Amino acid sequence: DGGITQSPKYLFRKEGQNVTLSCEQNLNHDAMYWYRQDPGQGLRLIYYSQIVNDFQKGDIAEGYSVSREKKESFPLTVTSAQKNPTAFYLCASSTTGDTQYFGPGTRLTVL
Amino acid sequence: RKEVEQDPGPFNVPEGATVAFNCTYSNSASQSFFWYRQDCRKEPKLLMSVYSSGNEDGRFTAQLNRASQYISLLIRDSKLSDSATYLCVSLGTGRRALTFGSGTRLQVQP
Repeated sequence: DGGITQSPKYLFRKEGQNVTLSCEQNLNHDAMYWYRQDPGQGLRLIYYSQIVNDFQKGDIAEGYSVSREKKESFPLTVTSAQKNPTAFYLCASSTTGDTQYFGPGTRLTVL
Repeated sequence: RKEVEQDPGPFNVPEGATVAFNCTYSNSASQSFFWYRQDCRKEPKLLMSVYSSGNEDGRFTAQLNRASQYISLLIRDSKLSDSATYLCVSLGTGRRALTFGSGTRLQVQP
């Protein structure tokens, strides 16, 4: 099956911990994106990558880091510097520009 | 001012009704627009793309008015399964990332 997968579905983090969220796609898309959604709000862009080995900050990149070593993979690390990490994290991919398709998301909760 | 603004609703309508949502955008350079549907605690799924003046797909019609900078979504003959949050989205120039509105919640009642 072609698509985007994210893992884990639910993640719990203790104060001061770094955690990494996985995002994999087998759609052969060049571009990948990470968004964050808080209750009752729209999605906000954290980081995006339009090509392997290159990525750019989005609107709320502070406290997050990413890598893009392979076309299929775009992991997101939520560092201890992110003060309010509890949210729904969504990964998306697309061909160059245009329609984006989303993975099922990861719900992160800080304990 | 938010770049993409929507009425949060909720819109409560009976089955079979016609309902319309509007969305305004502030960036006149935005190239393309989309409506995504999001069910509770799920990921957004593409409903329709709106590239030029509008688009129609079955019971759904999307219109774009560049002069007034708004996009609309019309749903005819509402079904219970249409109950969801509808996200208005613009695609800007440059970074090619999407800008999302906060969503309009629709509840179709029997």
